[in-house]
Amino acid sequence: EIVMTQTPLPLSVTPGQPASISCKSSQSLLQSDGKTYLFWFLQKPGQSPQLLIYEVSNRFSGVPDRFSGSGSGTDFTLEISRVEAEDVGVYYCMQSGQLPITFGQGTRLEIK
Amino acid sequence: EVQLVESGGGLVQPGGSLRLSCEGSGFTFSVHYIDWVRQAPGKGLEWVGRSRNKAESYTTEYAASVKGRFTLSRDESKNSLYLQMNSLKTEDAAVYYCARLDYSKMDVWGKGTTVTVSS
Repeated sequence: EIVMTQTPLPLSVTPGQPASISCKSSQSLLQSDGKTYLFWFLQKPGQSPQLLIYEVSNRFSGVPDRFSGSGSGTDFTLEISRVEAEDVGVYYCMQSGQLPITFGQGTRLEIK
Repeated sequence: EVQLVESGGGLVQPGGSLRLSCEGSGFTFSVHYIDWVRQAPGKGLEWVGRSRNKAESYTTEYAASVKGRFTLSRDESKNSLYLQMNSLKTEDAAVYYCARLDYSKMDVWGKGTTVTVSS
């Protein structure tokens, strides 16, 4: 099983400032088809998870362009260029290249 | 509107059984893989299992923690996926979400149904 490790776990950010979340996998997520199945989700308070980024760096439909994803191999990053109040919640990275699908522990973003 | 709606949650005693449903609408249900993901109270997300699409004969996969106890099945006529949960343990208590896969993306999630396992 691939272990996904996120840092930091709690993150407190002033509105308008940037934020960055790291996700490291216990083995490379690059698959034989050349794709890397690394995803980022946000779970807002009281809601279901929602997809933000798919395959490392592709923003899902409707996701603001202040969100960006990067990385390769075992190291990945989600960046928010300017945090807004609506960005509060728990951010999860997830890999689906190898079953079982595994998630990071979740990073709770709060606004200062 | 594309949506998934889970139902069937409730209170069950340890060792008991429960069947969850995930009904899809607004899209061709049979074309998509559907996954179940659960979230224990105050905890993170845990993948439970997968039902592949009709083209792949609705084959299934399960997390090690539920294999042999949980079973996935579909009813095409009802655009529904069922999660039969047997021999339930206290650690199975969680909100259970179903999620649609569009190629690799879990792009549509239901609101979840809550399972409580307690005597």
